[in-house]
Amino acid sequence: NAGVTQTPKFQVLKTGQSMTLQCAQDMNHNSMYWYRQDPGMGLRLIYYSASEGTTDKGEVPNGYNVSRLNKREFSLRLESAAPSQTSVYFCASLRAGGTGELFFGEGSRLTVL
Amino acid sequence: AQSVTQLDSQVPVFEEAPVELRCNYSSSVSVYLFWYVQYPNQGLQLLLKYLSGSTLVESINGFEAEFNKSQTSFHLRKPSVHISDTAEYFCAVRGAQKLVFGQGTRLTINP
Repeated sequence: NAGVTQTPKFQVLKTGQSMTLQCAQDMNHNSMYWYRQDPGMGLRLIYYSASEGTTDKGEVPNGYNVSRLNKREFSLRLESAAPSQTSVYFCASLRAGGTGELFFGEGSRLTVL
Repeated sequence: AQSVTQLDSQVPVFEEAPVELRCNYSSSVSVYLFWYVQYPNQGLQLLLKYLSGSTLVESINGFEAEFNKSQTSFHLRKPSVHISDTAEYFCAVRGAQKLVFGQGTRLTINP
């Protein structure tokens, strides 16, 4: 009964380093999402994947890449981290059927020095 | 395109007092509206949703929200808050394949 699992929960990077945030869901959902949360700005969509094999940009995609590895897994990669990418990142999946209910992971707190 | 505006970034209230968190939306398609809650150091979880039918929707922990099409609003209310309601609340509108979130309202309950 895990739901949406994100790893790692915490990470500190130096400017220019790369890393990948992993996300997996066990609810057989088709659509998956990566959001970032910053104080006073709510959640902003980085990338999403409506189904296995497809990915699309959200409102803040610059500096990120994604991979929809299979139906369960959707990873977010920072190729060259910048201090502006310091944030809390949330992965979510969407229950099918048109209701629009998102299920969220617990978040990954990333600090870029 | 869809957008959401939460009119208050912070709302402090006393325990057992009523509260209203305001949300206005803009949508060019059928309107599906949501309130999500985020407790400290946790992810977001669904509080309640409006898809169709009755314009007044309720959650299991005493919150309610009313869909008002003429005012394009979906305000969240609770008649009597508890310390455990301390959290950040996000209003969201469903767009094509994704949800668009408001900026969030931090609800602080004072004893």
